[in-house]
Amino acid sequence: ELKVEQNPLFLSMQEGKNYTIYCNYSTTSDRLYWYRQDPGKSLESLFVLLSNGAVKQEGRLMASLDTKARLSTLHITAAVHDLSATYFCAVDQNRDDKIIFGKGTRLHILP
Amino acid sequence: EPEVTQTPSHQVTQMGQEVILRCVPISNHLYFYWYRQILGQKVEFLVSFYNNEISEKSEIFDDQFSVERPDGSNFTLKIRSTKLEDSAMYFCASKRRETGNTIYFGEGSWLTVV
Repeated sequence: ELKVEQNPLFLSMQEGKNYTIYCNYSTTSDRLYWYRQDPGKSLESLFVLLSNGAVKQEGRLMASLDTKARLSTLHITAAVHDLSATYFCAVDQNRDDKIIFGKGTRLHILP
Repeated sequence: EPEVTQTPSHQVTQMGQEVILRCVPISNHLYFYWYRQILGQKVEFLVSFYNNEISEKSEIFDDQFSVERPDGSNFTLKIRSTKLEDSAMYFCASKRRETGNTIYFGEGSWLTVV
């Protein structure tokens, strides 16, 4: 059974700092997704990573995938308050189309 | 930009009542999903639907749950006899045919069972 682990689960950081959220998963997959969720809102797609070594960047967020280590990272550069949200990674098992979510990382950026 | 739409946005129901949550997936999408999120917890897979049938369901999706695509546009989730523990946000999602495409989520239907 596929398990997806994120850490940290909660992160409070100051504006201007850099930090990384980690996502580990338990079975072979080369498709990983990052979503953002604001309180009470839906899941907004941030990145889709489809191969080993994939790296994608959007603004202050950069995501990467290492399928051999079964690890993805979401790196935040020079954080700003607007990035405060919960970030979920999700993994697509190769044999079917559902995605399984991690528990989420609640990011709180202090001004 | 096309989006997944869900109704109602919020429903309060008494325990034991039937509830139907409705979704209109993005029009050229072929895979449909229901997920749920209990307040403050992770997003859990309920069921996937393709080619007019369930392709996979989780342990949560027991006999009290059913899904239907009655008219080619709507995709519904029915809970036959609601329990207190069914209180959650229910998200509908859809994606195009190709594996690895983004799964797009609706705004969610918040169900409160009292």
